[in-house]
Amino acid sequence: TQLLEQSPQFLSIQEGENLTVYCNSSSVFSSLQWYRQEPGEGPVLLVTVVTGGEVKKLKRLTFQFGDARKDSSLHITAAQPGDTGLYLCAALSGYSTLTFGKGTMLLVSP
Amino acid sequence: NAGVTQTPKFRVLKTGQSMTLLCAQDMNHEYMYWYRQDPGMGLRLIHYSVGEGTTAKGEVPDGYNVSRLKKQNFLLGLESAAPSQTSVYFCASTFDRDNQPQHFGDGTRLSIL
Repeated sequence: TQLLEQSPQFLSIQEGENLTVYCNSSSVFSSLQWYRQEPGEGPVLLVTVVTGGEVKKLKRLTFQFGDARKDSSLHITAAQPGDTGLYLCAALSGYSTLTFGKGTMLLVSP
Repeated sequence: NAGVTQTPKFRVLKTGQSMTLLCAQDMNHEYMYWYRQDPGMGLRLIHYSVGEGTTAKGEVPDGYNVSRLKKQNFLLGLESAAPSQTSVYFCASTFDRDNQPQHFGDGTRLSIL
């Protein structure tokens, strides 16, 4: 089982600030997904990264996959209160099973 | 457009009682999964199924059993509930192709007293 280390565990910022969340492992990922979870709901997929060095953008969110495919990051520009939630990275394995990191809880205050 | 539906949403059990959590998906997904989510632990895979009539163990399978008698349904059973099984349980499903998103239900909050 791949161990995924996410940092920071908790982040509290003001609206308009930028932030970066990290997901690291000692193992190589075949591919990695980022999910966002709101209270009382299940996680929802944000992005899948597959190729080393890949950068994907989703509005104000930028996802990077490390060249060695052992790490990934999520950068949010000009955070908004609607970005509040638990951000989870997850490594894909056989039969599309997921191994999740422990998550980063983001709180964006107006 | 229901997606993944979990029942019940909440349940309180006494130690030693049994119960079954039901997951139903209407997306014709081949693969289905059960996870548990505990504070500070992220989501951990309990069991999964790659098709009707098949099941496999995940990371934390002890104390749980599963069945997939119909493609659209995946049942999670607790034969003799223990306080350590207090958790939020999530079901998910996806297509049998690479790098597809898993679609999650809204969870079942289970407390064992």
